[in-house]
Amino acid sequence: RKEVEQDPGPFNVPEGATVAFNCTYSNSASQSFFWYRQDCRKEPKLLMSVYSSGNEDGRFTAQLNRASQYISLLIRDSKLSDSATYLCVVVNSGTYKYIFGTGTRLKVLA
Amino acid sequence: GAVVSQHPSWVICKSGTSVKIECRSLDFQATTMFWYRQFPKQSLMLMATSNEGSKATYEQGVEKDKFLINHASLTLSTLTVTSAHPEDSSFYICSASPLAGGYNEQFFGPGTRLTVL
Repeated sequence: RKEVEQDPGPFNVPEGATVAFNCTYSNSASQSFFWYRQDCRKEPKLLMSVYSSGNEDGRFTAQLNRASQYISLLIRDSKLSDSATYLCVVVNSGTYKYIFGTGTRLKVLA
Repeated sequence: GAVVSQHPSWVICKSGTSVKIECRSLDFQATTMFWYRQFPKQSLMLMATSNEGSKATYEQGVEKDKFLINHASLTLSTLTVTSAHPEDSSFYICSASPLAGGYNEQFFGPGTRLTVL
């Protein structure tokens, strides 16, 4: 079993739709969680951190469920510019290494 | 702030040659730098962690004699792919962290796309 798992997609949604991605992790000792966005042939860029209490940044909402060991990302009112691959990142306590998921590809259609 | 650059952004080379990739932190001192590799449709995989002035720590399955890492200063780390072969063709991304030990945010470079013919 992979340490961080994501549905690769693609998720094809119309503009204005709400879409949600989940990411599961296997190490219960994981301490920090992030969502990154990666455009084709580019480096990943930090989208938002994920806090236990859940957090929101504009149209984006991230949540953490430690009991079930997953994090989620909700995108409301999807824009064409949201089309990208969304990478889940988990940081393990002890090693502090970033463990990347394989990413979920989102295509927002006009 | 927290800008990381990589050079070159892309390189094409013949099989058997060596390729050096530079990673620079432009506006902060990077005590720790990381090197990742990403194959098409796959995730970023950590290759090695380097701390300034000491030997790099390689992840399992990464050949240290093939992927030479030098972190000689607080703003520069280099990755040299020695005797490159077509299977080494990949997207190489570095990241830098301002402090050593414990958790610190990583700032990513723009990546270097290596194609070995």
